[in-house]
Amino acid sequence: NAGVTQTPKFQVLKTGQSMTLQCAQDMNHNSMYWYRQDPGMGLRLIYYSASEGTTDKGEVPNGYNVSRLNKREFSLRLESAAPSQTSVYFCASSVPGQWDGYTFGSGTRLTVV
Amino acid sequence: DAKTTQPPSMDCAEGRAANLPCNHSTISGNEYVYWYRQIHSQGPQYIIHGLKNNETNEMASLIITEDRKSSTLILPHATLRDTAVYYCISSYGGSQGNLIFGKGTKLSVKP
Repeated sequence: NAGVTQTPKFQVLKTGQSMTLQCAQDMNHNSMYWYRQDPGMGLRLIYYSASEGTTDKGEVPNGYNVSRLNKREFSLRLESAAPSQTSVYFCASSVPGQWDGYTFGSGTRLTVV
Repeated sequence: DAKTTQPPSMDCAEGRAANLPCNHSTISGNEYVYWYRQIHSQGPQYIIHGLKNNETNEMASLIITEDRKSSTLILPHATLRDTAVYYCISSYGGSQGNLIFGKGTKLSVKP
């Protein structure tokens, strides 16, 4: 099925460990985004990529890095995980200039202990 | 901070219309109003958007006031599956990358 695929779905890390969250879309969208959602809160934008080869910081970029590997894939890396990064991470994609909504993945639930 | 204000929760009887209000008094002339919903802990789902005119699609209707300072999302015949958190967002859309989600309205549809 077409859409946004995130891996892994669940992950537990120890403080200081690193990991990369993967996101891929098969809708030929140019723009991709990473959000985090803490319990009882709305989503906050971490980084986004308006097009292949570009990335920009969002509202809460500290502690994260991103790579737009190609048009399909946009990864989020935690270099040294902290308990404050325990959250649900959502990837999304969209077509720039098309006034429709974003398509979101099903999320990665990350716990840092 | 989110640029929109929504009530934290609402109840609706199954089969009745659910009317979800949103205040966006500082919206600029070329910002759209978007509505999304999030069921359980799934990724948000796009519902509808509009600029000035009222809009309707297979999921919902969007009523925007003439001064564009507020809007109402209408689910004409709510079902139990419509229980979700509904987010109202004002945004330039496209590739601006700044959909700012507030806490939304938790809609509970009751039998």
